[in-house]
Amino acid sequence: SQQGEEDPQALSIQEGENATMNCSYKTSINNLQWYRQNSGRGLVHLILIRSNEREKHSGRLRVTLDTSKKSSSLLITASRAADTASYFCAPLIQGAQKLVFGQGTRLTINP
Amino acid sequence: GAGVSQSPSNKVTEKGKDVELRCDPISGHTALYWYRQSLGQGLEFLIYFQGNSAPDKSGLPSDRFSAERTGGSVSTLTIQRTQQEDSAVYLCASSVGLAGEQYFGPGTRLTVT
Repeated sequence: SQQGEEDPQALSIQEGENATMNCSYKTSINNLQWYRQNSGRGLVHLILIRSNEREKHSGRLRVTLDTSKKSSSLLITASRAADTASYFCAPLIQGAQKLVFGQGTRLTINP
Repeated sequence: GAGVSQSPSNKVTEKGKDVELRCDPISGHTALYWYRQSLGQGLEFLIYFQGNSAPDKSGLPSDRFSAERTGGSVSTLTIQRTQQEDSAVYLCASSVGLAGEQYFGPGTRLTVT
């Protein structure tokens, strides 16, 4: 499978703590994108990191990419209850030009 | 501005019937994608359209599934002779190009009884 694979499958932390989710993939990519999904419906794009980038920030989000290890991580700092959602990584496979989604990480922020 | 819209939001149909799901992408987006998501699972790619190029149908699970995109805008996903295993949320997304961020619609929840 070429899909992005997230780890852990589920994560539960206290509000205010940081959450780290990891993603691994198996082939060369053009970029890697992270999405959030609430309530099992539409996904929202969070951040895109290109294959020649190593780190990217957006507000409380920090994404890293290590193409030598074919892995990425998403860090959410100072978590809030509203961050409770499923998070998906989606590598854009080089040549195929389509995103392949993993099973996601279910993040729960406890008040 | 208007986002990606999908209709209907929910569809209940009897096994063996045909269904049509509609997607209105963001105006100006040349790429349009269909995905399927079963309960608690990740997204399964079905098909994408990019401009006037031939669509990538590699993800369609069987020949009962087909999709078209008229005038480079609205797309319809058709499932013929529905089966219970077709029950899922069908998500549509569009993007400016194939490599950019995708904007998702709210999905159509299909239930086959």
